Amino acid sequence: AQRVTQPEKLLSVFKGAPVELKCNYSYSGSPELFWYVQYSRQRLQLLLRHISRESIKGFTADLNKGETSFHLKKPFAQEEDSAMYYCALAGGTSYGKLTFGQGTILTVHP
Amino acid sequence: NAGVMQNPRHLVRRRGQEARLRCSPVKGHSHVYWYRQLPEEGLKFMVYLQKENIIDESGMPKERFSAEFPKEGPSILRIQQVVRGDSAAYFCASSHRRGHDGYTFGSGTRLTVV
Repeated sequence: AQRVTQPEKLLSVFKGAPVELKCNYSYSGSPELFWYVQYSRQRLQLLLRHISRESIKGFTADLNKGETSFHLKKPFAQEEDSAMYYCALAGGTSYGKLTFGQGTILTVHP
Repeated sequence: NAGVMQNPRHLVRRRGQEARLRCSPVKGHSHVYWYRQLPEEGLKFMVYLQKENIIDESGMPKERFSAEFPKEGPSILRIQQVVRGDSAAYFCASSHRRGHDGYTFGSGTRLTVV
């Protein structure tokens, strides 16, 4: 069975501070990991995926297979980063089916 | 390209009525996925459809729920004899092919059962 855990429901930081949103997963094979973001009144959108190994809006995430983690990091948070963030996993034969964590609400204070 | 369109945005039904949720995928996408988000929970996969076929319905409740994606027209998620526990946000996503390339979500339908 595959599972995604986001231990923090709420995370608050001040503008300019580093931020890390935690994500741990459970999957027996080689997973594909994603971070999705939902800004206020907008639809869920892809932020980044681990196979791309790219930085989007200053965010990065590294897949750590030893710790089964895929934490999302940004060195200097901005107010516009305030949103709901979901970590998601796709297993090898899932044909596009995603397993989501419960989400973390990030609030960046001025 | 209007993206994935879901309607209605909000739907109120009395217990025992039927709810029909519609999802029009991105033009050219033939793969549709439905997810449900219960209060205080993350999105949970329900069903994956390709034109006229159900590929994976492992997340669908055994009774009262059904889904279709006809050759013409939107995908429909149908809930018969709704109960209060069906109150949730229902999201649809579409992709061009099997997998995650171009995977796009709709804005969701919020179902409230009174």
